[in-house]
Amino acid sequence: GEDVEQSLFLSVREGDSSVINCTYTDSSSTYLYWYKQEPGAGLQLLTYIFSNMDMKQDQRLTVLLNKKDKHLSLRIADTQTGDSAIYFCAEIPSGYSTLTFGKGTMLLVSP
Amino acid sequence: SQTIHQWPATLVQPVGSPLSLECTVEGTSNPNLYWYRQAAGRGLQLLFYSVGIGQISSEVPQNLSASRPQDRQFILSSKKLLLSDSGFYLCAWSGTLEAFFGQGTRLTVV
Repeated sequence: GEDVEQSLFLSVREGDSSVINCTYTDSSSTYLYWYKQEPGAGLQLLTYIFSNMDMKQDQRLTVLLNKKDKHLSLRIADTQTGDSAIYFCAEIPSGYSTLTFGKGTMLLVSP
Repeated sequence: SQTIHQWPATLVQPVGSPLSLECTVEGTSNPNLYWYRQAAGRGLQLLFYSVGIGQISSEVPQNLSASRPQDRQFILSSKKLLLSDSGFYLCAWSGTLEAFFGQGTRLTVV
């Protein structure tokens, strides 16, 4: 399978913006996803973006896609302590029917 | 609406004992079903996926097996657990666009 890479850790203060970055390797992936995992729980789909879009906004979440650089980012505005979790970037590479995940970015929000 | 049930939530089993984790999906038909394992390093490792009853694809050779006896039921099994089987196991289903996850089973092999 293809590799999806993310930074492992991000620490921000409450009220600041958080930006979580991801690099994927298959330029023909049709959809790219962001999942959130709170401690001891399953993964929750946060948002996804079609590969023909550059940006998608959903309330406090903004997803930016740079297809040329194969770079995906998730921006969380006005980050809250409840946003502390692990965030996974994922893609379905061409020729595959399963999601390929990054290792996850642990976001820690301090008051 | 679609829901996914996974149980048990936690499990402590001795080395060499058998394992059976069950996952069921409601509100959809003919879903793709998946078993993932999340080890201490946080990454998600795909173990098995199924596109239909009796159709199982294995991604990683190991002492685990999976079965899909019914359209919306996916079972992860082992005849003899190893210490290295400890981890957090997640069941998931997907439709056209998205994948949805169960709440996970924390398995500790002692």
